[in-house]
Amino acid sequence: DGGITQSPKYLFRKEGQNVTLSCEQNLNHDAMYWYRQDPGQGLRLIYYSQIVNDFQKGDIAEGYSVSREKKESFPLTVTSAQKNPTAFYLCASSSGGAGYYEQYFGPGTRLTVT
Amino acid sequence: ELKVEQNPLFLSMQEGKNYTIYCNYSTTSDRLYWYRQDPGKSLESLFVLLSNGAVKQEGRLMASLDTKARLSTLHITAAVHDLSATYFCAVPETSGSRLTFGEGTQLTVNP
Repeated sequence: DGGITQSPKYLFRKEGQNVTLSCEQNLNHDAMYWYRQDPGQGLRLIYYSQIVNDFQKGDIAEGYSVSREKKESFPLTVTSAQKNPTAFYLCASSSGGAGYYEQYFGPGTRLTVT
Repeated sequence: ELKVEQNPLFLSMQEGKNYTIYCNYSTTSDRLYWYRQDPGKSLESLFVLLSNGAVKQEGRLMASLDTKARLSTLHITAAVHDLSATYFCAVPETSGSRLTFGEGTQLTVNP
């Protein structure tokens, strides 16, 4: 089955630790995205990548880092510099730029930092 | 800067009633996307509207796009409890590289 997988579903970390969230897709999509969602809020774009080895900052990139070494994978690292990392993180992909191609979402990772 | 506004943000309605959710956006775009999110879950694509005057229907939901007015509507006909969810509209940036999402409309359908 083609789709987007995110792991783990739930993640608990202590303050001050970096943590990496996984996102893998087998849809052969060029573009991938990371969003953050806080309770009762909309989606905010963290980073996006339109091709391998290239990525751009979104609206709230501070305290996050990404890599895009393979087309299938776009891991997100939440660093200790991120002030309020507890949130629901969603990964998405599209076959091209999101303006022209529909985005498909993974199931999400719920991160809790205490 | 592109702004996408939905209203209402919260909607409580009775089963069997009709209602419309509105999505306004601030810059020119000839396409718009609607998504559904159930509590604690990810986003699921509902409609892709690709041109002015586009209308799509799926069950009790119908979406339309008026690019001149920069407005999309999501109309709910004879609501049922299963439609309870949060609905988001999303509009592409001019560059086409990313989407901007509205704040979401939290719909609750009561028996």
